[in-house]
Amino acid sequence: AQSVTQLGSHVSVSEGALVLLRCNYSSSVPPYLFWYVQYPNQGLQLLLKYTTGATLVKGINGFEAEFKKSETSFHLTKPSAHMSDAAEYFCAVSEYQGGSEKLVFGKGTKLTVNP
Amino acid sequence: AAGVIQSPRHLIKEKRETATLKCYPIPRHDTVYWYQQGPGQDPQFLISFYEKMQSDKGSIPDRFSAQQFSDYHSELNMSSLELGDSALYFCASSLREVNTEAFFGQGTRLTVV
Repeated sequence: AQSVTQLGSHVSVSEGALVLLRCNYSSSVPPYLFWYVQYPNQGLQLLLKYTTGATLVKGINGFEAEFKKSETSFHLTKPSAHMSDAAEYFCAVSEYQGGSEKLVFGKGTKLTVNP
Repeated sequence: AAGVIQSPRHLIKEKRETATLKCYPIPRHDTVYWYQQGPGQDPQFLISFYEKMQSDKGSIPDRFSAQQFSDYHSELNMSSLELGDSALYFCASSLREVNTEAFFGQGTRLTVV
């Protein structure tokens, strides 16, 4: 069974600083990996995904993540934080098994951006 | 572009009442997923349907049932509501043959009082 661990339930950065949100996964088969962002009282918006191919994945809003199989990691980064990046971020893994692609989410990391 | 539509957006029910949540997937999507997100929690998978048949089941209480209809919309029925059922319920849809990602609706916030 797959699982996701997000290190740090809260991360605080200054505006303009590097954002690094950590995600490690476990999966018995090659995983599909996702980062979602959730603003208060909103739904889940996909930031980026890794399925196959290039291990460095670029997403929306300047975010990117790198799939490192040897480290079973899929950390999310952004070179320069903006106030509008303040939100909760969820890493998720899915395994395609017989037509079901249910997602298993990490506990989430709440990002605060300080002016 | 059309997105996943959930209704209602907000719902308040009393304990022991029933609730029905509706989900309208993106046109041509054949798979629907339901997730429950408790306060301050990560989303938990409840159940999924592919071509109107249940395809997977997660931590869904026996008091809950769901189905997918011929027009691919789905309904989550919740009976004997408990305070602990208060949560944000998400529906997501995907196209199986594409096999890449699920698109989420805005969610229905259920409050049980």
